[in-house]
Amino acid sequence: SQKIEQNSEALNIQEGKTATLTCNYTNYSPAYLQWYRQDPGRGPVFLLLIRENEKEKRKERLKVTFDTTLKQSLFHITASQPADSATYLCALGPGGGNKLTFGTGTQLKVEL
Amino acid sequence: DVKVTQSSRYLVKRTGEKVFLECVQDMDHENMFWYRQDPGLGLRLIYFSYDVKMKEKGDIPEGYSVSREKKERFSLILESASTNQTSMYLCASSSPTSLTDTQYFGPGTRLTVL
Repeated sequence: SQKIEQNSEALNIQEGKTATLTCNYTNYSPAYLQWYRQDPGRGPVFLLLIRENEKEKRKERLKVTFDTTLKQSLFHITASQPADSATYLCALGPGGGNKLTFGTGTQLKVEL
Repeated sequence: DVKVTQSSRYLVKRTGEKVFLECVQDMDHENMFWYRQDPGLGLRLIYFSYDVKMKEKGDIPEGYSVSREKKERFSLILESASTNQTSMYLCASSSPTSLTDTQYFGPGTRLTVL
């Protein structure tokens, strides 16, 4: 069955450093991969999409890579700030009816 | 600004009660989704709908039903609530013509079944 793995342990980093989060998947050939941010008590918010034929995508301080051979995506936040502290979810699609399959998320804490 | 609203942020019900969770979106989206989110299990799809009066089972539909009588509204029904349905419930919507298949989420309803 399809499986998406994100590091379940929280990632703690110092302000100003680059945070790198990992999303691995098996038994899946996604056409694209998305990253969402979720703050406590709130719904996820879309950040970035990267397609299977793209190696890298950037948006401001965010960078996403997608390696379909390794079946892995890396999500980077450069010059991290305490306001970047949140849980980050990866999602693969599409499924029928534009369904997405979500990972369990990784909590990021950026400390002063 | 796009908006998905859910009827309650917090809800406490008793075992056996019938529970209605409502979701409304103002973006004229065809697709709507209901998820539950539990620690360590992530977001799991319960049901989705790609048009009025249409519904499809997701990964964990048992114990739930849905209703979509109008395009903007998608309701999740727990026919007889049980304690293992205590969870955070999230509604989302998307457009099938979107280039990014972005899903827009509501704030969630934290349901506790006693």
